[in-house]
Amino acid sequence: AQSVAQPEDQVNVAEGNPLTVKCTYSVSGNPYLFWYVQYPNRGLQFLLKYITGDNLVKGSYGFEAEFNKSQTSFHLKKPSALVSDSALYFCAVRDRYSSASKIIFGSGTRLSIRP
Amino acid sequence: DGGITQSPKYLFRKEGQNVTLSCEQNLNHDAMYWYRQDPGQGLRLIYYSQIVNDFQKGDIAEGYSVSREKKESFPLTVTSAQKNPTAFYLCASTKENRGFEAFFGQGTRLTVV
Repeated sequence: AQSVAQPEDQVNVAEGNPLTVKCTYSVSGNPYLFWYVQYPNRGLQFLLKYITGDNLVKGSYGFEAEFNKSQTSFHLKKPSALVSDSALYFCAVRDRYSSASKIIFGSGTRLSIRP
Repeated sequence: DGGITQSPKYLFRKEGQNVTLSCEQNLNHDAMYWYRQDPGQGLRLIYYSQIVNDFQKGDIAEGYSVSREKKESFPLTVTSAQKNPTAFYLCASTKENRGFEAFFGQGTRLTVV
């Protein structure tokens, strides 16, 4: 069965410092991996995805994520945080080969950037 | 502009009543999903549909029902059998190719009064 874990409910970072939001996954085969961001009372917005190829993927708003197959991780990173990055972040996984096309989300990590 | 539309944004229901949440997309996406979001629990999958006239239960389907009569539409009915329906409901759609990301609606906040 597919699953996604985001071990941190909240991450606090000072503006200008690098940030990392952690994600680990479990699928039976090779995964498609995604990061989304959610602002209050809104739907989710897509940030970036790993499909194949380079393990470091770059996305919107200066975010990037590194796929690590041996550690089954897909951590979200940004070199220099902005106050406007404060939001709820979700990691998601989709099995590449399963007949069921479910997208499974993690529990979310609230990112708080202090000025 | 293409997108996915959920309506209404806010919905109030009396206990014992069924209520239907609307989800429409004009993205020509094959797959559609319904998720429930509760504080601190992330998104939990209720139902999903890969093609018209076909849908599968997700992890928390009890007390909910769906239909997929048209590619563009995937309405969710919250029945009186759902014991704790107050939540934020999110609809999403994707192309069937699994490498494509999901597009989300703006959500419907359902409150049972």
